[in-house]
Amino acid sequence: QVQLQESGPGLVKPSETLSLTCTVSGGSVSSGAYYWSWIRQPPGKRLEWIGYIYYSGSTKYNPSLRSRVTISADTSKNQFSLKVTSVTAADTAVYYCTRGTYGFSDFWGQGTLVTVSS
Amino acid sequence: EIVLTQSPGTLSLSPGERATLSCRASQSVNNNYLAWYQQKPGQAPRLLIYGASSRATGIPDRFSGSGSGTDFTLTISRLVPEDFAVYYCQQYGSSFTFGPGTKVDIK
Repeated sequence: QVQLQESGPGLVKPSETLSLTCTVSGGSVSSGAYYWSWIRQPPGKRLEWIGYIYYSGSTKYNPSLRSRVTISADTSKNQFSLKVTSVTAADTAVYYCTRGTYGFSDFWGQGTLVTVSS
Repeated sequence: EIVLTQSPGTLSLSPGERATLSCRASQSVNNNYLAWYQQKPGQAPRLLIYGASSRATGIPDRFSGSGSGTDFTLTISRLVPEDFAVYYCQQYGSSFTFGPGTKVDIK
């Protein structure tokens, strides 16, 4: 059974960089033809796909966030990470890491709330 | 970007009743790449349906998906207490977008 766990600061100041890590157990980020994604949900709003890193290392991002987002993987630690630069209050959300088969996510982390505030 | 709308916003039903949830896309969804998720308060979403009509592993057969093109439906044949939740559709045929959700609550 694949398990994912998000970690990182719960509070980030405006204009700074949000950094989160997802630790994967029960599966490998570097094999299996899976997509390792980040998805967020602002309070009371719909889910928003941020981007993914494929097992091969290639990435794809939401066009609306592409200029501020980087997703990378550390295969030695079986982790993948998210960085969002120049954050504003609009980036306040619960952030989920997921494993996907193409575009749908079959395993999800529990989510972590990140608040952008001074 | 494909915009998804879901109706109704809230569906009030009793256990044992049938629930029919709609998801409409602003343009045709490639290959019917449409998924449905269930989310309960404080929990991550759970995958129910992918490819418009294929049930995910471990999902009871009271959940079924149908539709094609721009109109899709999630049906719960007979509601049980644990089915009261928010349901989201997601298209993954052209980038990835989610609908606003339908809340199924107890009447």
